[in-house]
Amino acid sequence: EAGVVQSPRYKIIEKKQPVAFWCNPISGHNTLYWYLQNLGQGPELLIRYENEEAVDDSQLPKDRFSAERLKGVDSTLKIQPAELGDSAVYLCASSLGLANTDTQYFGPGTRLTVL
Amino acid sequence: QKEVEQNSGPLSVPEGAIASLNCTYSDRGSQSFFWYRQYSGKSPELIMFIYSNGDKEDGRFTAQLNKASQYVSLLIRDSQPSDSATYLCAVITRGGGSNYKLTFGKGTLLTVNP
Repeated sequence: EAGVVQSPRYKIIEKKQPVAFWCNPISGHNTLYWYLQNLGQGPELLIRYENEEAVDDSQLPKDRFSAERLKGVDSTLKIQPAELGDSAVYLCASSLGLANTDTQYFGPGTRLTVL
Repeated sequence: QKEVEQNSGPLSVPEGAIASLNCTYSDRGSQSFFWYRQYSGKSPELIMFIYSNGDKEDGRFTAQLNKASQYVSLLIRDSQPSDSATYLCAVITRGGGSNYKLTFGKGTLLTVNP
């Protein structure tokens, strides 16, 4: 079974440029997450989707970040414009959304460098 | 106070020893607890989860949960150099309906020396 797929794996952009990340979750997983991970820190949730609905976007900086999950499968996370402080690894994860366990499976991540 | 706290380490143990990783959480309403392993430059992968008080064993790994003390730990028996990684504790706290929050700790760096 294929895991969570993310692209690109690496991205280098100049500040104020836009950037987009793509995620394809594990087949059958209704719940999709976008996380940001800085060096030496744990993942921090940006947004969680249940199917196509964003059920938790409280930590998403909405002035520059946006996300969508059309048709409840693939998802795109966008930053416009990017700032130096956005340099981090962006992780996508998916799960079945079960009541207690909700085991999340992570993709390989996209390492963003903003110059 | 951070919601999920871990000692950042590094924790260094000799090969074959027991590594003990600890995690405390602040919300008494937390219900499910996860341990993830993250190798340098890689994404987190689930080791095990626990949601009942007591011990849960899976191979060389044992998770221990004490809700009264708001404490969860991971023991790794017969530690191997391949266990060298950052171990992330994650906690689910549920609200009403489908509302829940998963919070990760900063992780503990474990080094197993041959």
